[in-house]
Amino acid sequence: ELKVEQNPLFLSMQEGKNYTIYCNYSTTSDRLYWYRQDPGKSLESLFVLLSNGAVKQEGRLMASLDTKARLSTLHITAAVHDLSATYFCAVDKGGNSGGSNYKLTFGKGTLLTVNP
Amino acid sequence: NAGVTQTPKFRILKIGQSMTLQCTQDMNHNYMYWYRQDPGMGLKLIYYSVGAGITDKGEVPNGYNVSRSTTEDFPLRLELAAPSQTSVYFCASSLAGTQYFGPGTRLTVL
Repeated sequence: ELKVEQNPLFLSMQEGKNYTIYCNYSTTSDRLYWYRQDPGKSLESLFVLLSNGAVKQEGRLMASLDTKARLSTLHITAAVHDLSATYFCAVDKGGNSGGSNYKLTFGKGTLLTVNP
Repeated sequence: NAGVTQTPKFRILKIGQSMTLQCTQDMNHNYMYWYRQDPGMGLKLIYYSVGAGITDKGEVPNGYNVSRSTTEDFPLRLELAAPSQTSVYFCASSLAGTQYFGPGTRLTVL
């Protein structure tokens, strides 16, 4: 059974600081997603990582994937209040070889609060 | 494009009642999914479908049923509602990878 663990689960940051959210998973996969959820809202896709060493950046967020370590990171640079949200990583255990019908296993999420 | 739409947005059920949560997508995606989200627990897959007429169980299917008669629609049926089914339900669709989520249905069973 695929397990996906995120840490930390709660993160309170000051504006302007940097921090990293970690996502570990238990079985081999080379297909990982990051989503953002604002309170009371739906999930919004942030990044899709499809190979070992993949790195994607959008604004103050950068995600990377190390399939050998079964680890993805979401790095936040110079945090601003608008980044306050819950961030989920999700793993497709079928990976790029398919076979899973693109089913995802989600981590529990990291609730990020950015304080002025 | 409306994307993925869900109705209703909110619903309160009494124990033992039944209801159907509606999900429609207009992106011509083959894959559709139903999740439930409980506080602090991430999302759990209830059922999924790979195309019209084909459905399969996810991680937590007990107490639910689905059907997929068209590409666009993927309703989720709750029979004999129980307090443990109090949750937020999300429908999602995918072409081949990234899943796009609907706005969710907040269900309370009392």
